[in-house]
Amino acid sequence: DVQMTQSPSYLAASPGESVSISCKASKSISNNLAWYQEKPGKANKLLIHSGSTLQSGTPSRFSGSGSGTDFTLTIRSLEFEDFAVYYCQQYNEYPPTFGSGTKLEIK
Amino acid sequence: EVQLQQSGPELRRPGSSVKLSCKASGYSITDYLMHWVKHRPEHGLEWIGWIDPEDGETKYAQKFQSKATLTADTSSNTAYMQLSSLTSEDTATYFCARDGLLQWFDYWGQGVMVTVSS
Repeated sequence: DVQMTQSPSYLAASPGESVSISCKASKSISNNLAWYQEKPGKANKLLIHSGSTLQSGTPSRFSGSGSGTDFTLTIRSLEFEDFAVYYCQQYNEYPPTFGSGTKLEIK
Repeated sequence: EVQLQQSGPELRRPGSSVKLSCKASGYSITDYLMHWVKHRPEHGLEWIGWIDPEDGETKYAQKFQSKATLTADTSSNTAYMQLSSLTSEDTATYFCARDGLLQWFDYWGQGVMVTVSS
């Protein structure tokens, strides 16, 4: 299985700041990577697929980059609603596998 | 609006089974694959498998081959997952999620907590 290593596990930031989350695959996955947001009491939300394509409804302050084995989710000008847990997921080969998650907390 | 409504929390004894439901609204389940994902905080998210509700075709992760059975009822627009021979390792939150096109998940259910305890 493709191992997805996500870092950091925890991240504290203030509204208005920008943050980046890293996701590294154990082998090349082309650009077959998605990012999700998890918030208590809400269904998980797809933010980005294909490495950098924003899902409809995802605010433009979110961006994804990378290909091969190294990927980054960047959130510019954090808003209160962005404080959540973020996961990456590869779908280049079976089984689809997820990163361990990054909890973004308010500083 | 696409929504996936999952059934309520379950408490089961070891060795028993449980059947979880995922009712879709806002689209026909025959138009998309439906995936199931397991979440345990200490183990993260694990993909269980998918079902094509149009023809019943399924694909499972190897470790869930003998644990999970995916089915769908097109008349009620509902997908199901049965978990058998439950152990404490099956205590987790289970999600259904619609396939977005290439095995990413564009809509998720709210998740259902399954607790296995004697």
